[in-house]
This record gives sequence, C-alpha cells and structure tokens, in this order.
Amino acid sequence: AQSVTQLGSHVSVSEGALVLLRCNYSSSVPPYLFWYVQYPNQGLQLLLKYTSAATLVKGINGFEAEFKKSETSFHLTKPSAHMSDAAEYFCAVSVKLGGSQGNLIFGKGTKLSVKP
Amino acid sequence: DAGITQSPRHKVTETGTPVTLRCHQTENHRYMYWYRQDPGHGLRLIHYSYGVKDTDKGEVSDGYSVSRSKTEDFLLTLESATSSQTSVYFCAISELTSGGFTDTQYFGPGTRLTVL
Repeated sequence: AQSVTQLGSHVSVSEGALVLLRCNYSSSVPPYLFWYVQYPNQGLQLLLKYTSAATLVKGINGFEAEFKKSETSFHLTKPSAHMSDAAEYFCAVSVKLGGSQGNLIFGKGTKLSVKP
Repeated sequence: DAGITQSPRHKVTETGTPVTLRCHQTENHRYMYWYRQDPGHGLRLIHYSYGVKDTDKGEVSDGYSVSRSKTEDFLLTLESATSSQTSVYFCAISELTSGGFTDTQYFGPGTRLTVL
C-alpha cells in the first residue's frame, strides 16, 4: 500500500532563507503526487501537482517540487521565504478508488514557521 | 476557489447527542469525502462517496454514518457524539483520472466540532 512520510513536523526558517520541506513516498511509483498548504483556520489548498509530465513542478506562491524516482522523494522548495508562507504543508499521493483506506494518502504535515 | 461550503462552521454539543454536518458543492464532482483532522494524526478519511447513494468506509468510520441523496450534498452524522469525536471536519470533492486514480481533491473550509 502507498504511504507518505514527511520528515520534520516543524520547520523554522528566517525570512529570505531557503525553504525545504521533505516528502518521501513508498516504493511503488505513484501517478500523482500533491502538495497542499493549510493556513490557520482554513481548509487545504492545492500548491502543486505532479502528473509525470515533468519531474520539476512549479506551483503557486513561488513554490516548486522535484520528483526523484531514485530517492522516492517529492520535496517542496522555495528560494526565499516570506512571512506569509507560515502555514502547515501536506504531501499526498493518489491511489485508486477503493484500493486503500484513503483515496489520497496524506502525510502528517509539516508546520513551517518564518522568523523575521 | 472550488464551490464547497460546510455547515455549520462551528458547533458545540453534548456527549450522546446526534450531530449532522453538511457539505454542499456546486462543482458537480462525482466524488465526495469526509476527513477529520487532529493534531499529530494529520488527515484521516472517515467516509467517501462515489455517486448518489454510493458510499464506502474510510480509515476511521466507527461512530459515523453518511448519506448522499443528491450529487451536491454529502451529510456526515455522528450517531451519538463522544468526546473523542471533538475535531475539525473537512469535506473534499474530486474526480478520477482516466486511469482510475484520485485526481486533485478540493477542500471545504471545515467544521470545528466540540463534544462536551
């Protein structure tokens, strides 16, 4: 069964510093991978989606993620953090309907703090 | 933003009472989901629906039931609320890819439920 691991439940960076949020999926190659962002007291919002068309995926707000099959990773990066990036970020993998307990399998999330 | 609303947005109830949460969509998506979000657990799937009157259990379905009598509405009922069901509940909608995998899920704003 597919699984998703996000390394680090909390990440803190300074404003202007590189943001790197880590996500690893289980070994079977998923057709779709997602990053979502959740701001306080809001629902999840799609940041970007990997669909196998390109290994480097660009999303909203300057974020991008690179799919690396050899490392089973889909890490999220942003060159320069802004205060407004402070939020919780979720990595997710798509599964076939009925093939698992969750149709999108979510990681447990990484809370990003940005220091002035 | 996808047209998804949840009602109520906040609710406080007492142990043993039934509670119904409503999810309404205007996107005509076939698939609808109910998740709960708790600190340290991320998002966990409760139930999902793959069409009118077609529903299935998710990872944490005990104590919950669902109904979908119209494409646009998906109801979640806590038959007899317990304190362990205090949580934030999110509804999501999606379609499937041509290969049968779950495509992007779009989330509602959430319902914060407190069971005293």
